[in-house]
Amino acid sequence: EAGVTQFPSHSVIEKGQTVTLRCDPISGHDNLYWYRRVMGKEIKFLLHFVKESKQDESGMPNNRFLAERTGGTYSTLKVQPAELEDSGVYFCASSQMNYNEQFFGPGTRLTVL
Amino acid sequence: GQQVMQIPQYQHVQEGEDFTTYCNSSTTLSNIQWYKQRPGGHPVFLIQLVKSGEVKKQKRLTFQFGEAKKNSSLHITATQTTDVGTYFCAGSLSGGYQKVTFGIGTKLQVIP
Repeated sequence: EAGVTQFPSHSVIEKGQTVTLRCDPISGHDNLYWYRRVMGKEIKFLLHFVKESKQDESGMPNNRFLAERTGGTYSTLKVQPAELEDSGVYFCASSQMNYNEQFFGPGTRLTVL
Repeated sequence: GQQVMQIPQYQHVQEGEDFTTYCNSSTTLSNIQWYKQRPGGHPVFLIQLVKSGEVKKQKRLTFQFGEAKKNSSLHITATQTTDVGTYFCAGSLSGGYQKVTFGIGTKLQVIP
């Protein structure tokens, strides 16, 4: 069974540019989460999808971040325009409904210069 | 909002020594999970504790959930170099909703 995949693995962009991160959860997992880890800090929750619906987006930093999960399969997280403080590793995780174990993807390391 | 504190942030131990990381929540938790992230890797689920006072073991790892369901610990007996990594606790307020709040993590370095 394939795990959670994320693309790209690394992205280096300049301040003001746009970046879109993609996450493909494990097939059949209705729950999809986005997290961000800034170096040396905690893994911070961004938002949670149940199928195609946003269950909780309380962790989204501001309106420069837009997450979608059309069709309830893969998800994208767009940052527009990117700022320096957006740098970090963005993790996606998925889980089955009613199961708390989350399976993490390898992450996308975003560097904003 | 809910906060999950984790200490220590860093720990260096000689191979063979024991190691413990502690997690404390500002609110009573429904359950707590532990994850391990190897250097350069991603968090991998280790275990979930649900019951008050629960203790679970996985080989050299012992996980505890406090009676008040506000704190937890992970203890590793006789560390090995393969134990190197960052250990995160993650608390959940509601078992149904499943949003978790992660601690800052404890980075363990094992000196051979």
